[in-house]
Amino acid sequence: AQRVTQPEKLLSVFKGAPVELKCNYSYSGSPELFWYVQYSRQRLQLLLRHISRESIKGFTADLNKGETSFHLKKPFAQEEDSAMYYCALSGVSGGYNKLIFGAGTRLAVHP
Amino acid sequence: EPEVTQTPSHQVTQMGQEVILRCVPISNHLYFYWYRQILGQKVEFLVSFYNNEISEKSEIFDDQFSVERPDGSNFTLKIRSTKLEDSAMYFCASSEKGAKYEQYFGPGTRLTVT
Repeated sequence: AQRVTQPEKLLSVFKGAPVELKCNYSYSGSPELFWYVQYSRQRLQLLLRHISRESIKGFTADLNKGETSFHLKKPFAQEEDSAMYYCALSGVSGGYNKLIFGAGTRLAVHP
Repeated sequence: EPEVTQTPSHQVTQMGQEVILRCVPISNHLYFYWYRQILGQKVEFLVSFYNNEISEKSEIFDDQFSVERPDGSNFTLKIRSTKLEDSAMYFCASSEKGAKYEQYFGPGTRLTVT
């Protein structure tokens, strides 16, 4: 079964601390993994995807196929990073046309 | 920058009534999607639409649901006879290419069924 698990509902850190938002997935083929972010009163928007291997706003995520994980990391959190973060999966074979979301993790960065 | 728009932002309806949620995808996009999020739960895929037909639908998307692209710009989700459990935030999304690529989301329509 296709599934995305984000074990933490809330992650609370102080400004300048490192951040790691966990994401594990279950998928039988070769998935495409994404992180979407929703800032307060804004729409869901793409933060990054594993195929582009880029860093956006200081965030990075590495796909670990052995551990079936796609954790989101940032070395130094900023207050403006406070938001809801969703890990999502899209299948290459089967489920090609949809995103499967995790439950989301709320990141709260305190001054 | 072009955005996906959705109307209305909030819809209140009585159980058993029909509702139509409207979306205007980004103009050069070819793939369209509806998702929903029940309060406190995860965002769930409902249906994808390409080339004027449904390309995939979830088990949630039963006979009470239908989608349509009535003209060159709108993309609608119809719920024929609403139930209390249909209360949720409904998100429309569009993508220039398939779901391997970025999906652009609308702001959502909050549907409340009383």
